[in-house]
Amino acid sequence: GENVEQHPSTLSVQEGDSAVIKCTYSDSASNYFPWYKQELGKRPQLIIDIRSNVGEKKDQRIAVTLNKTAKHFSLHITETQPEDSAVYFCAASNTNAGKSTFGDGTTLTVKP
Amino acid sequence: EAEVAQSPRYKITEKSQAVAFWCDPISGHATLYWYRQILGQGPELLVQFQDESVVDDSQLPKDRFSAERLKGVDSTLKIQPAELGDSAMYLCASSSDRGSDEQYFGPGTRLTVT
Repeated sequence: GENVEQHPSTLSVQEGDSAVIKCTYSDSASNYFPWYKQELGKRPQLIIDIRSNVGEKKDQRIAVTLNKTAKHFSLHITETQPEDSAVYFCAASNTNAGKSTFGDGTTLTVKP
Repeated sequence: EAEVAQSPRYKITEKSQAVAFWCDPISGHATLYWYRQILGQGPELLVQFQDESVVDDSQLPKDRFSAERLKGVDSTLKIQPAELGDSAMYLCASSSDRGSDEQYFGPGTRLTVT
């Protein structure tokens, strides 16, 4: 089955700096890669996603890149703000099989 | 905005007791997922429904866990008997399509087994 590894497990940055979280996956059949943000005590919410036919996607301060050959994808947050502090999860999905596998999460702390 | 509903939000039970969780997905969403999230880890899929049919329950401990979605709408996850290691957050999610669309998560049920 699919195996997703996410790094780092914790990340602390100064407000205004950039943050990068990386995930690797094992199943070449995975073709959909969402990122979720989970604030303390709240439900995970999708912040950005990318499909395997695209190499990069950007939404304001958030971007995701995908390298299918190397089987890794990354979340980039620029100009970080304290409200970006949360746990971020990546996932790899095989839409043909309808199966998603999540990484173990990265706790991002943005210091004011 | 429509949301996935779950109840109860918190449940404390003694080991060997039975416990049940309920989930109501977003109206019209055919796919429903039950995940278990242990503190410090990502959600782990327990069971996935497409309408009323189970499409994946390979990670569901079937000796003690059961799930149903009889009318293809709301769903119940049951644990009997509960064990100490079952303490976790149980998340329900739904999507309009099978694995190819955004999953909308419910608030979760925090289970503590004593």
